[in-house]
Amino acid sequence: GQSLEQPSEVTAVEGAIVQINCTYQTSGFYGLSWYQQHDGGAPTFLSYNGLDGLEETGRFSSFLSRSDSYGYLLLQELQMKDSASYFCAVDPARIYNQGGKLIFGQGTELSVKP
Amino acid sequence: EAGVAQSPRYKIIEKRQSVAFWCNPISGHATLYWYQQILGQGPKLLIQFQNNGVVDDSQLPKDRFSAERLKGVDSTLKIQPAKLEDSAVYLCASSPRGSGANVLTFGAGSRLTVL
Repeated sequence: GQSLEQPSEVTAVEGAIVQINCTYQTSGFYGLSWYQQHDGGAPTFLSYNGLDGLEETGRFSSFLSRSDSYGYLLLQELQMKDSASYFCAVDPARIYNQGGKLIFGQGTELSVKP
Repeated sequence: EAGVAQSPRYKIIEKRQSVAFWCNPISGHATLYWYQQILGQGPKLLIQFQNNGVVDDSQLPKDRFSAERLKGVDSTLKIQPAKLEDSAVYLCASSPRGSGANVLTFGAGSRLTVL
């Protein structure tokens, strides 16, 4: 089976840096993804780690350690618009060409204060 | 490019009634997913299609839920009869086949309230 754990909520101030952790247990593992969802909106893709290490996309970075079954999303220079829920998701598929089947965590609600 | 289209956006029904949701994925995307998202939780996969074939429906409550993607393009998810616990947002997503980066594009969702 698969399970993912993330903090339920995080609060930070504008301009700060925040890290959202995700630990996972899966029967198979192909990669760790991060999605952002604003209230009432659709989840949108932020980042993907297929290999260990850091991936950087603008103000957002994501890290993966497969040996520790652990990853995190790092948000820098926080803005009010970053207030949203953030989900980590794993693809337990063992075969690349089957296309991703994502298992999502429960989500972390980020509140950015002025 | 046009996004994933879903309808209706909102639906309120009484328990034991039936409801259907429609999804049109991004053109050319072979893989289509239906997820259920209960308030305060992460999306939970109900069913995954590759073209018009089912890849995974292990989490679909088949006694009341059904889904089809007859021509490998748009899809319908049906609930009959609905229960109170089916109140949720039903999200449709699509991805190109073999997208190893797992980039799913989600629609805005259909919010179901069962009274």
